[in-house]
Amino acid sequence: GNSVTQMEGPVTLSEEAFLTINCTYTATGYPSLFWYVQYPGEGLQLLLKATKADDKGSNKGFEATYRKETTSFHLEKGSVQVSDSAVYFCALSGAGGTSYGKLTFGQGTILTVHP
Amino acid sequence: DTAVSQTPKYLVTQMGNDKSIKCEQNLGHDTMYWYKQDSKKFLKIMFSYNNKELIINETVPNRFSPKSPDKAHLNLHINSLELGDSAVYFCASSPLRGGGELFFGEGSRLTVL
Repeated sequence: GNSVTQMEGPVTLSEEAFLTINCTYTATGYPSLFWYVQYPGEGLQLLLKATKADDKGSNKGFEATYRKETTSFHLEKGSVQVSDSAVYFCALSGAGGTSYGKLTFGQGTILTVHP
Repeated sequence: DTAVSQTPKYLVTQMGNDKSIKCEQNLGHDTMYWYKQDSKKFLKIMFSYNNKELIINETVPNRFSPKSPDKAHLNLHINSLELGDSAVYFCASSPLRGGGELFFGEGSRLTVL
């Protein structure tokens, strides 16, 4: 079945540091890939997505590239801010129409950014 | 206006009780979900409904019974609550064949004592 593996957290950085959160996946076919973010006390919200190999998703300074050859979708940001402190989830949606948008999530990575 | 709203936000109850969590979405989406987030933040799908019809049931104990009176509502009823049911339950919705973008509610934190 489908699975997503994220780097272990928590991750603690100083403001303006470079961020990488690794994500690799196992899936049949051609899944869509997502990063969701959960701010404290809130629900998850979509941060970025990529639907096919070599696509790059980007939003709010975050980027991730869909790498089929390495089955990876690593999240990066060049300069983090305190307001980026949150839990980040990598996820995939099964290929084809029968998945009805069901997402398989990674275990989440807690990011804390200090001033 | 909140797109996906859940009530209650917090629920504390005793083992053996029965409780319900309600969810409503005003986005006009066809598909709704319940996800469970455990204490380690791990998220797992429980159920999915498309236009009031159950389409995903992920090996959830039958003490959990979802009900969708219309496509804008998906409620979760839990019988005979157990300690292990303590978690945050998230409702979500998406358009049919929306490519996987889900819109989540703020979550309902259930604590079973």
